[in-house]
Amino acid sequence: KNEVEQSPQNLTAQEGEFITINCSYSVGISALHWLQQHPGGGIVSLFMLSSGKKKHGRLIATINIQEKHSSLHITASHPRDSAVYICAALNRDDKIIFGKGTRLHILP
Amino acid sequence: DAGVIQSPRHEVTEMGQEVTLRCKPISGHDYLFWYRQTMMRGLELLIYFNNNVPIDDSGMPEDRFSAKMPNASFSTLKIQPSEPRDSAVYFCASSFGLYTGELFFGEGSRLTVL
Repeated sequence: KNEVEQSPQNLTAQEGEFITINCSYSVGISALHWLQQHPGGGIVSLFMLSSGKKKHGRLIATINIQEKHSSLHITASHPRDSAVYICAALNRDDKIIFGKGTRLHILP
Repeated sequence: DAGVIQSPRHEVTEMGQEVTLRCKPISGHDYLFWYRQTMMRGLELLIYFNNNVPIDDSGMPEDRFSAKMPNASFSTLKIQPSEPRDSAVYFCASSFGLYTGELFFGEGSRLTVL
């Protein structure tokens, strides 16, 4: 079992829908990253958080340390949000462990 | 700043050849990471440096892989000899700080070993 699990693996939604991607981890962590990888392959860091909630534009990331769970939300989704979203946990040994990613496809 | 710069963007080589991938981190960043991405295994951390010193290389697959960071503005990842199973996209990333620093990725080097 991977120490960082993401769900769903694949998600297709209509433009405008509210999107939630989940990340659960089984180890103690110092911080958690949410990354976005576009079809061209480039990777962009969206958030790094260790507690609470962060918001940037239409993107919101939350983390619950006690429940070992983080969520990435996209409001008013748009086709340009289509990408692979990757959760990465920085564990107590300072190792970054990646989830397998969630492939999001937003239909116009 | 131009961001993290990697070269080459694409490399096709034959099994047994030496491959050198290069990375220039963002100026002022004190952490540099090398990652590998394959369809089967996803993203994996290979090694990371703090202030040019290798901190954790436990992700380096085997002795054929080596990484150096001779100064704050340059790092290399070398594979010698290369094998077909090394075919992957290799990403370099840098950050300022480990616990608070956002990761900035290069565009990746796509390696194909025939």
